[in-house]
Amino acid sequence: AQSVAQPEDQVNVAEGNPLTVKCTYSVSGNPYLFWYVQYPNRGLQFLLKYITGDNLVKGSYGFEAEFNKSQTSFHLKKPSALVSDSALYFCAVRDMDSGNTGKLIFGQGTTLQVKP
Amino acid sequence: EAGVAQSPRYKIIEKRQSVAFWCNPISGHATLYWYQQILGQGPKLLIQFQNNGVVDDSQLPKDRFSAERLKGVDSTLKIQPAKLEDSAVYLCASSLRAGGRSDTQYFGPGTRLTVL
Repeated sequence: AQSVAQPEDQVNVAEGNPLTVKCTYSVSGNPYLFWYVQYPNRGLQFLLKYITGDNLVKGSYGFEAEFNKSQTSFHLKKPSALVSDSALYFCAVRDMDSGNTGKLIFGQGTTLQVKP
Repeated sequence: EAGVAQSPRYKIIEKRQSVAFWCNPISGHATLYWYQQILGQGPKLLIQFQNNGVVDDSQLPKDRFSAERLKGVDSTLKIQPAKLEDSAVYLCASSLRAGGRSDTQYFGPGTRLTVL
């Protein structure tokens, strides 16, 4: 079965420091991986995705993610955190067991807290 | 480009009452999804439509939940009768193609349902 894990419930970082939000996955076959961000009382906003190709994926708002096949990880990174980056972050993987559907399987989310 | 629209944004009902949520996807998007997000968890797919046909409703509690997508555009999700455990945020998402595994899903702001 496909799954994704976000091992940290919360990540705290000081403004201006680099940030990493971790994600590991388990899939059969090649993974399709996504990162979304959710601000309070808002829906999920797409940040970036890995489909194939370069292991370093660049996305919105200065975020990037590194795909590591040997470690089955897809960690979200940003070189310099902003207070406005404080939000709930979700990693997701496409469910390849459900045929040709678009179903995403989400992690439980990681709260990022950036302090001034 | 307008995003995914949902209404209402908030709804409070008593158990055993019925409730309906509406979603209008991004114009031209063939695929529409309804997800349920319980507090502290990642979203879980309830149902996926491709144009006006159901692709995946394996996680939809069909004894109380129903959904339709008339004319392949907007969609309605209904709960009848509601239970306490239905308290959640109901997210609608859409993607451009039918069955595109690499497609990005774009989410609406969600409807927060509280069942008392």
